[in-house]
Amino acid sequence: DAKTTQPNSMESNEEEPVHLPCNHSTISGTDYIHWYRQLPSQGPEYVIHGLTSNVNNRMASLAIAEDRKSSTLILHRATLRDAAVYYCILGDTTSGTYKYIFGTGTRLKVLA
Amino acid sequence: ETGVTQSPTHLIKTRGQQVTLRCSSQSGHNTVSWYQQALGQGPQFIFQYYREEENGRGNFPPRFSGLQFPNYSSELNVNALELDDSALYLCASGGRNTEAFFGQGTRLTVV
Repeated sequence: DAKTTQPNSMESNEEEPVHLPCNHSTISGTDYIHWYRQLPSQGPEYVIHGLTSNVNNRMASLAIAEDRKSSTLILHRATLRDAAVYYCILGDTTSGTYKYIFGTGTRLKVLA
Repeated sequence: ETGVTQSPTHLIKTRGQQVTLRCSSQSGHNTVSWYQQALGQGPQFIFQYYREEENGRGNFPPRFSGLQFPNYSSELNVNALELDDSALYLCASGGRNTEAFFGQGTRLTVV
């Protein structure tokens, strides 16, 4: 029951910006938006998270729509090491436990 | 390096056997969650422990059980293994409104 929708795959050229979209139309007012990425045979790696305002860190930027029903992860200059599956996740607290509901993510391919 | 270590990294078990997977964290977070990731799928939430008590459970049968210890390390136990239990098992430390730290996972193959 993933609460986010992402494209299955995207491609980008190396050193160009990448915009990874995510729809989360059922988001509640207290849900944080988390982004993780996963390389083959590794655990997910934190990228960024936010609640309402746009966020920046050394890895990426997160642009959150004003109505919070969608967000975009921005990699400013893609490198070959950024090739991974990117998951957009809402924290789920419906059962009183804060857990991540993962979808199938977006597989990003970076072309040299 | 996330500071979350899982062991073993790989193992093979026979259907019907029991398995114990381990997770240790250097972060000191008192919350640990376990996820199952089948091939080509996103991770699925199994359960979460907070201060040594189960704090929530996903849609997994009772033969999946766990423990959390005072040093915040954790175990995942699976009884009566089935072929469909073959997956990557991930533990994660922390992660409420902050970053969660995932281990590299244990690849379980049931034959």
